Amino acid sequence: QVQLVQSGAEVKKPGASVKVSCKASGYTFTSYYMQWVRQAPGQGLEWMGIINPSGGYTSYAQNFQGRVTMTRDTSTSTVYMELSSLRSEDTAVYYCARERSEIYGMDVWGQGTTVTVSS
Amino acid sequence: SYVLTQPPSVSVAPGQTARITCGGNNIGSKSVHWYQQKPGQAPVLVVNDDSDRPSGIPERFSGSNSGNTATLTISRVEAGDEADYYCQVWDSSSDHHVVFGGGTKLTVL
Repeated sequence: QVQLVQSGAEVKKPGASVKVSCKASGYTFTSYYMQWVRQAPGQGLEWMGIINPSGGYTSYAQNFQGRVTMTRDTSTSTVYMELSSLRSEDTAVYYCARERSEIYGMDVWGQGTTVTVSS
Repeated sequence: SYVLTQPPSVSVAPGQTARITCGGNNIGSKSVHWYQQKPGQAPVLVVNDDSDRPSGIPERFSGSNSGNTATLTISRVEAGDEADYYCQVWDSSSDHHVVFGGGTKLTVL
């Protein structure tokens, strides 16, 4: 079955970096974009960026420009999201979600990865 | 950048119809998606491309989009529909960028 499995929870100190993985299975990895979305405690959904696994094209939300890097490994059908210079406000659940194109929506989501930033 | 506006909360009695709006400049020209999120769970796509229902989503969920407002309609509301709902579009003016509305808490009375 189609699924996205994310890496486990992380606890980081301010100023550190975190790298979250999202392993896809059950579909053709390069046929869908992968979106990254985060949700701070009690808050709404916040889009972080997109990666096209076919070719590696990326586009990032302005709020994260310069701090986020999204990469992919087609040999393992895995995408990665690395966020640097962490601060307490980055404490959130981070989700990956696949999307075929603009009209299809994010139809499969990962289970989420909790990142806690605390000194 | 493009902004989507949702009411913070909507309340409805069981069996009634809930309507959740999503406002945006000329949103009728965009493809709107709706997600349901229950506490502690990942979002679930309930309507895509304004009014299409993904496989497994009950027919009680429907959508429309015209002018400056898109609407998610939930008919015959059940207790299990209580959740946060988010609208989402691609901002075509910003290179594949995605925008979410602020979310609406649906309370079933």
